[in-house]
Parts: sequence; C-alpha cells; structure tokens
Amino acid sequence: DADVTQTPRNRITKTGKRIMLECSQTKGHDRMYWYRQDPGLGLQLIYYSFDVKDINKGEISDGYSVSRQAQAKFSLSLESAIPNQTALYFCATSDVSSGPGRTDTQYFGPGTRLTVL
Amino acid sequence: GENVEQHPSTLSVQEGDSAVIKCTYSDSASNYFPWYKQELGKRPQLIIDIRSNVGEKKDQRIAVTLNKTAKHFSLHITETQPEDSAVYFCAAFPSGGTYKYIFGTGTRLKVLA
Repeated sequence: DADVTQTPRNRITKTGKRIMLECSQTKGHDRMYWYRQDPGLGLQLIYYSFDVKDINKGEISDGYSVSRQAQAKFSLSLESAIPNQTALYFCATSDVSSGPGRTDTQYFGPGTRLTVL
Repeated sequence: GENVEQHPSTLSVQEGDSAVIKCTYSDSASNYFPWYKQELGKRPQLIIDIRSNVGEKKDQRIAVTLNKTAKHFSLHITETQPEDSAVYFCAAFPSGGTYKYIFGTGTRLKVLA
C-alpha cells in the first residue's frame, strides 16, 4: 500500500546509537500505530496515536519513544539501541470515522528491518 | 489482559484441499475481526474481515465465520493454491477498552504442490 511509507527500509546500527524510524501516510487517517515483529512471531504494539495530541503506550513501549509531528507523520525513536531490538518494524494507519462507512481497517507500511549489532 | 489465541501455528495442506484457521478472543466488547496475510518479508495485508452483526462472510475462495457466543472466529480457504502459502494473522478490535487491535500469534500455511 503506497499510501503508507516508511524510511529507512533497512538499517544496521551499533549498540548505544540513537535511531529514528519514520512513517508517512497520505490516506488522511487520524490513527497511527507502531508495531514490532520478531522472526516467526506476531505483531506487538509499541505505541499508538489517535491524533497529534494523543499518544499512548502499547504492550512493549520500554526503550522506545514516539513523535507525532503532524497528522501524516509518526516517528519511532530508539534512544539507545540494544541488540534485542533487532526486528522488523511496521507502521500502520486506520480511520477514526464512525457510521456505516467505518471500517476500522489498519493499513500497514512496507516495514523497516532494523539490525542492532 | 485481553488476548487472541490462534490455532494451529503451522498448517500444511495439499494443493486443492481446504485450510481452516481458528481464533478465540477474550474481550466480549470486540466487534470487528480482520484477517491479514503476510508473505515472507512483506507487510501484512487485509484479506477479509467481519463485523459482530454478521455470522459469515465470503469472498471467492476465502470465508470467515464468527460465533459471538463462543467468542471465536475462523478463516476458511478452499481450493488452496501454492500462492496461498503465507502467514495469516487474525485480530480483534477494539480490545481492552481502547481502540487498538489485539493480534493472534499467526499461522504459517504451506500449500504443497
């Protein structure tokens, strides 16, 4: 889904470095999410945001922080990367609209593969 | 906390056979149940979804059934093809009193030619 983009797509870094992963969307959605996926495992929610002023912790927020710079942009930071943060990171968006047309469907970006050495 | 259990974790079927994946959710307030397909190294993509006011939904070879009383829902794929090989995730929404998904742990489906 080209409407949700993530940069970088791949990143190799060293322990202790600060890393920022960026997500942009052109879908006009209010809700944005960051997930982590470890090899062979499911999706774990790190942070989610319902609008620019609303940021919420997910299941595994320790060691991560986020910034919602605009409706279309949601960044994930690792302040001091550690090897067990090596994973595939996905951004997702969904619509906050209500009523008959509401779908609640989440649309995922292409993912960022992060390796921490 | 709220969770979604998904079974089996791996499933191998012969091409042309049917595949069934089952999920059980704990939050009775959940009212939307999507299924995502994730091919190796790619993003999860929605393949079918169902709302709690519907018992069954079908889209070509894919169907989803929902039993609200038992709090479980299932994905059915008929006439499986090699390109159906992927990891499938179920999810329940909303969950835990907040507007977030709870995902199942995934099922790796292998369709043997």
